[in-house]
Amino acid sequence: DTGVSQDPRHKITKRGQNVTFRCDPISEHNRLYWYRQTLGQGPEFLTYFQNEAQLEKSRLLSDRFSAERPKGSFSTLEIQRTEQGDSAMYLCASRTTRTGGDGYTFGSGTRLTVV
Amino acid sequence: SQQGEEDPQALSIQEGENATMNCSYKTSINNLQWYRQNSGRGLVHLILIRSNEREKHSGRLRVTLDTSKKSSSLLITASRAADTASYFCATDLRGQNFVFGPGTRLSVLP
Repeated sequence: DTGVSQDPRHKITKRGQNVTFRCDPISEHNRLYWYRQTLGQGPEFLTYFQNEAQLEKSRLLSDRFSAERPKGSFSTLEIQRTEQGDSAMYLCASRTTRTGGDGYTFGSGTRLTVV
Repeated sequence: SQQGEEDPQALSIQEGENATMNCSYKTSINNLQWYRQNSGRGLVHLILIRSNEREKHSGRLRVTLDTSKKSSSLLITASRAADTASYFCATDLRGQNFVFGPGTRLSVLP
């Protein structure tokens, strides 16, 4: 499979718990992005990496959110002390800038429900 | 307000008809892209048009870009029930991240 993989597909957690999501991008893609999407809305940018460096973070990414891409390959997004407002679809996407760039390739997302 | 906004918010057509969706944006862009999203799924990249291009085709899709009006349109010809989805435009700001609009929900009725 040469697409973007996200794990898990669904996560139900109790308010206050920590959750971690994983994204495996297309191997030759140097950029990896995290977006959040709520029902009926477009994806909202959270953060992105170029290789292992986190280059930009949105103001949406509060102190409870942290993302890593330790070896420039897979990435994790952790949410600490989850709140009901964190319930959303978390989308990962990757792309390459080496060939002039193209569109994102998105994963299928992780749907988080905080109860 | 959002950088990219699609219009209309929702569109219902009969199979075989053409569907046109528009996107307006506010600031200068490097390129503009259109994506499709089926319910509960990730987004699928449809087409990218660069700021120096005016029109691009891919199968039944035709995208236009008017940088003077800061707008783009996506035309789907001879629509099929399988085209039912949400369609998003995304603008590339400074080559960094892409900003998505709220989308157009297209329903193609058999």
